Amino acid sequence: DGGITQSPKYLFRKEGQNVTLSCEQNLNHDAMYWYRQDPGQGLRLIYYSQIVNDFQKGDIAEGYSVSREKKESFPLTVTSAQKNPTAFYLCASSSATGNYGYTFGSGTRLTVV
Amino acid sequence: GESVGLHLPTLSVQEGDNSIINCAYSNSASDYFIWYKQESGKGPQFIIDIRSNMDKRQGQRVTVLLNKTVKHLSLQIAATQPGDSAVYFCAEKTAYKYIFGTGTRLKVLA
Repeated sequence: DGGITQSPKYLFRKEGQNVTLSCEQNLNHDAMYWYRQDPGQGLRLIYYSQIVNDFQKGDIAEGYSVSREKKESFPLTVTSAQKNPTAFYLCASSSATGNYGYTFGSGTRLTVV
Repeated sequence: GESVGLHLPTLSVQEGDNSIINCAYSNSASDYFIWYKQESGKGPQFIIDIRSNMDKRQGQRVTVLLNKTVKHLSLQIAATQPGDSAVYFCAEKTAYKYIFGTGTRLKVLA
């Protein structure tokens, strides 16, 4: 079955640590996205990539970094510079045009301890 | 600025009744709209979409209505079931990106 897989489902981070969230898709989608979801707020775009080896900052990129070395993979690193990282993180993918919307992963809940 | 919003943050509906969830959008250039369903702790799932050249689109138990005059989108769920309990949010496509609403929580009462 084609889909998009995020791991881990739950992640705990200590203060000052960097953590990396995994996102893999086998839908042959060109574009991939990372969103942050906080209670009572809409999805906020962190980073997106429309093609391998290229990515752009979204609305809230500070404290995050990404890479797109393979079409299937778009990992997100939450750095220690992100002051409020506790949130639900969603990865999504789409065709190059974004027509027919995004396919979302099941999410990773990151908690700072 | 651009925005996609919802009129009600929480909607409680009796099982078997119809549900209507509303969404207002501000960008008249948006040409494509999607409703997503998100269950607790899961990623959003595509429910139904509609293009700006349409007023209505029906799926299985769901109908989306688009009123471009007042920039309003609605999702109707017929014969609401317990499994429909979730957060529903709309998304509008403008040029190359989507803007997502904050969501409405639908609670189905037994």
